Amino acid sequence: AQSVAQPEDQVNVAEGNPLTVKCTYSVSGNPYLFWYVQYPNRGLQFLLKYITGDNLVKGSYGFEAEFNKSQTSFHLKKPSALVSDSALYFCAVRDLGGSQGNLIFGKGTKLSVKP
Amino acid sequence: DTAVSQTPKYLVTQMGNDKSIKCEQNLGHDTMYWYKQDSKKFLKIMFSYNNKELIINETVPNRFSPKSPDKAHLNLHINSLELGDSAVYFCASSPLVGRATDTQYFGPGTRLTVL
Repeated sequence: AQSVAQPEDQVNVAEGNPLTVKCTYSVSGNPYLFWYVQYPNRGLQFLLKYITGDNLVKGSYGFEAEFNKSQTSFHLKKPSALVSDSALYFCAVRDLGGSQGNLIFGKGTKLSVKP
Repeated sequence: DTAVSQTPKYLVTQMGNDKSIKCEQNLGHDTMYWYKQDSKKFLKIMFSYNNKELIINETVPNRFSPKSPDKAHLNLHINSLELGDSAVYFCASSPLVGRATDTQYFGPGTRLTVL
């Protein structure tokens, strides 16, 4: 069965510093991995995804993620955090067991960026 | 030109009532989904649906039923509402049936409160 884990409930970063939000996965077969962001009282917005190819994936708002097969990780990164990046971040994996391919989400990591 | 829209945004109702949440996507996608986000922000699939197949998460009570009048709409009907149904419900869509690489696009969510 597919699953993702986000080991940190919250990540605190000072504005201008690099940020990392961690995600590890467990899949049988090829992993299709996604990151979404949820701003307060808003829906989920797609940031980026890894399907195949280059291990470094670039996405929206300056975010990127590094796929590491040996460590089964897909950490989200940004070189310089902004206060406006403060939000809830979800890692997700495609459920290949179902014919419709719904997403299986991690529990979410709250990112807090302080000025 | 909202891609995935939901109505209403907020829904407050009494226990035992029947209510519906509407979802529409103007992306021309084949597959639509309903997810539930509980008070701890956990996101879980409820249904996935295309014009041929409905897949129901086995943990979803049969009081919940998706209804699709056409390809662009997937409404969620809930009978005999219970306190535990209070949550945020998200609709999503993706382009093709079962294509694991597709991105899912989410609506803004409907916050349901059962009193």
